[in-house]
Amino acid sequence: DTGVSQDPRHKITKRGQNVTFRCDPISEHNRLYWYRQTLGQGPEFLTYFQNEAQLEKSRLLSDRFSAERPKGSFSTLEIQRTEQGDSAMYLCASSPPQVQETQYFGPGTRLLVL
Amino acid sequence: AQSVTQPDIHITVSEGASLELRCNYSYGATPYLFWYVQSPGQGLQLLLKYFSGDTLVQGIKGFEAEFKRSQSSFNLRKPSVHWSDAAEYFCAVGAGNNDMRFGAGTRLTVKP
Repeated sequence: DTGVSQDPRHKITKRGQNVTFRCDPISEHNRLYWYRQTLGQGPEFLTYFQNEAQLEKSRLLSDRFSAERPKGSFSTLEIQRTEQGDSAMYLCASSPPQVQETQYFGPGTRLLVL
Repeated sequence: AQSVTQPDIHITVSEGASLELRCNYSYGATPYLFWYVQSPGQGLQLLLKYFSGDTLVQGIKGFEAEFKRSQSSFNLRKPSVHWSDAAEYFCAVGAGNNDMRFGAGTRLTVKP
């Protein structure tokens, strides 16, 4: 049983560039979540999917942020026109249909915007 | 919406000593409660969870937590801390939907 995986683990980019992160959930987990975590804080919910449907996106931080899960398996989170304030750890989690309240987290993608 | 407070930003304990990390939540109904641990640069690992039933829950790595409705608390405990327990600990509260709120975390340092 492999856990949630995220790619890349680290990303350094220049301000104004677009970045895309990938998350592969645990097999057969139908829910997938994205969080942002800044230094010294707990994770902050961004959005989530049930299968391919994005059921909550009002808490994405701005219209520069978007997420997809086209086939209900892996998901991507894109940040357009990155700003220095976007520097953070981006965490992905998934949960199984039987116990949807329990989320299992991936290792995260650490983004640094210069 | 639910919220979580972890009053202690940083705690230092000696190896072998007991540990208690505090967590207070705010939510109108019975919440789903979680403790996660995060090592530096890593994701979060689930230690334990409470949904209903016995208010004392056992988790991995020798941790336990007790749900006290009257105090709106879900404190994490371990009788004897190991050096490998040094990490950041997060309490979280869920409302039975996607909306899980995390506390700001407590950083645990273990002295030899």
